Amino acid sequence: NAGVTQTPKFRILKIGQSMTLQCTQDMNHNYMYWYRQDPGMGLKLIYYSVGAGITDKGEVPNGYNVSRSTTEDFPLRLELAAPSQTSVYFCASSSGAQTQYFGPGTRLLVL
Amino acid sequence: DQQVKQNSPSLSVQEGRISILNCDYTNSMFDYFLWYKKYPAEGPTFLISISSIKDKNEDGRFTVFLNKSAKHLSLHIVPSQPGDSAVYFCAASAYNTNAGKSTFGDGTTLTVKP
Repeated sequence: NAGVTQTPKFRILKIGQSMTLQCTQDMNHNYMYWYRQDPGMGLKLIYYSVGAGITDKGEVPNGYNVSRSTTEDFPLRLELAAPSQTSVYFCASSSGAQTQYFGPGTRLLVL
Repeated sequence: DQQVKQNSPSLSVQEGRISILNCDYTNSMFDYFLWYKKYPAEGPTFLISISSIKDKNEDGRFTVFLNKSAKHLSLHIVPSQPGDSAVYFCAASAYNTNAGKSTFGDGTTLTVKP
């Protein structure tokens, strides 16, 4: 049982490039979330999903897109990378009982 | 407007002493509160939670206290150990009403000195 896995661990992007951050969970959780954490700050919700085929915006969705075609996977897409998207990205999942299980994070640097 | 606030960015305590981490919230709809612990280069992990129907929840060395009238909660760690050195996030949610979403504070970095 791997829990929540994220790839890549670290990535450097040039301004304007695009990429997909991968997130997979093997706990059969319906709820999944994407957060970003900027230095010295808390976790800001980007997007979330309550089940396959259902996604919704969080607090800071601009510049990102998501999809949820399966229960296990919840990829986050950055279409036109900007320096403001330099951050650490965490994916999490939950059975709906409030406690969230987090992946190890993806550190993204946009130059 | 930050709905969950952790006003102390850092806290340093001696091994064996008590650590008290504080958290304030403004949204009266919040009725479930959680503490997560985060080590560097890792994701947050769940530590302890409390429902608004309680004012205290204990799990080993960790106790969370909730004061609903003051919209304040605190995490007590007794006795503190060097391995407790981490960032602690307070989180709040409206149970069963919002897809399990939580609002997080900015975190408090706890350093436990040997």
